[in-house]
Amino acid sequence: EVQLLESGGGLVQPGGSLRLSCAASGFTFKNFAMSWVRQSPGKGLEWVSSIGGSGHIRHLPESVKGRFSVSRDNTKDTLYLELNSLRAEDTALYYCAKSNSPLFGSFDHWGQGTLVTVSS
Amino acid sequence: SYVLTQPPSVSVAPGQTANISCAGDKLSTKGVHWYQQKPGQAPMLVVYDDWDRPSGIYERFSGSTSVNTATLTITRVDAGDEADYFCEVWDGGSARVFGGGTKLAVL
Repeated sequence: EVQLLESGGGLVQPGGSLRLSCAASGFTFKNFAMSWVRQSPGKGLEWVSSIGGSGHIRHLPESVKGRFSVSRDNTKDTLYLELNSLRAEDTALYYCAKSNSPLFGSFDHWGQGTLVTVSS
Repeated sequence: SYVLTQPPSVSVAPGQTANISCAGDKLSTKGVHWYQQKPGQAPMLVVYDDWDRPSGIYERFSGSTSVNTATLTITRVDAGDEADYFCEVWDGGSARVFGGGTKLAVL
């Protein structure tokens, strides 16, 4: 059974940093792209980053490029999201999602999310 | 940047068919995925690559596309189908794009 368990969220001041983790199990982690998707309270889904199975290909939207970075450790079956220069508008539930292919493809499994709150 | 447009809400009576649309430029060339999100839960994939269904998803859920529109169709709707539904694509470049979501209400 595929399981994705996010951690690392919390309350942080504007301008601060956090590192989110997503521990994966139940599948061959290195064979699939992974992504982060966030959802602000009461809002829709927003894609935040994707990384290919090998870790060489990484994509982020312009809204977070230069502030967020995505990485993975295929020896630990873990996905990471580094969040820097955080703003109030980054407050959201951050989901880890598995793709159904090594590069692109649908998000076929999701974690339960970790909450990031940016506030002074 | 690429934009996907969904109606904010769709209402349907129990037992009837719900059609949820998703509009985007040349959408039929991109491969559309649909996600269901019930209150307090993570999203769940219900249709991928325009019309394929993941294992465990009822046949009542189906997808279709025309040139600029994709449609998620749910037949024999019941109260358990009440949820937000999101379409999503890879824009062909380096971005993943979600529609704004449609709230399905079962009257």
